[in-house]
Amino acid sequence: QQPVQSPQAVILREGEDAVINCSSSKALYSVHWYRQKHGEAPVFLMILLKGGEQKGHEKISASFNEKKQQSSLYLTASQLSYSGTYFCGTASGNEKLTFGTGTRLTIIP
Amino acid sequence: EPEVTQTPSHQVTQMGQEVILRCVPISNHLYFYWYRQILGQKVEFLVSFYNNEISEKSEIFDDQFSVERPDGSNFTLKIRSTKLEDSAMYFCASSELRTMGAFFGQGTRLTVV
Repeated sequence: QQPVQSPQAVILREGEDAVINCSSSKALYSVHWYRQKHGEAPVFLMILLKGGEQKGHEKISASFNEKKQQSSLYLTASQLSYSGTYFCGTASGNEKLTFGTGTRLTIIP
Repeated sequence: EPEVTQTPSHQVTQMGQEVILRCVPISNHLYFYWYRQILGQKVEFLVSFYNNEISEKSEIFDDQFSVERPDGSNFTLKIRSTKLEDSAMYFCASSELRTMGAFFGQGTRLTVV
């Protein structure tokens, strides 16, 4: 069963913050976050493993609450280059990564 | 910077024909994957491959599909008797460890006519 992402789409002005949520009905071992620009391949952002960790990558960070089976991606002081569709991928202990339906992020100047 | 490379970038084939999509994963990576993305939809897992065998496959990956690592560098996806609904972008990905993120190739756009 695929994870549910929210919101489905968001429009921000440059410099604003955004939170993208990903929740699963299954117990999770890991959550992966990817960004895909139109016509391009998904680009790996970060992986969070069971243990409830939080990771950061420049102005993009994420948290993983394994008890709630949820992960959130935080984008602070958004830049035009952050535009794209963000996918979370969840794994329950094997290599099969199930992707959510994506969150389309549009940053406007 | 090492990258996953896929060939061809675009393949057009007639329904019922066989196609082979090719991938060269990053050299020190141990896990290999195929995903597909139908236009405008989410990325779907097809299969993972480790230690020269399939480690996991999805419901989509039926007898029509097969994967092979014919030598130390290439990783191929074969689709036998293609159907119209096989039209999609097919991505190959690789990761160093199962607990590390996967790096995607630029994809092969397969069009079945």
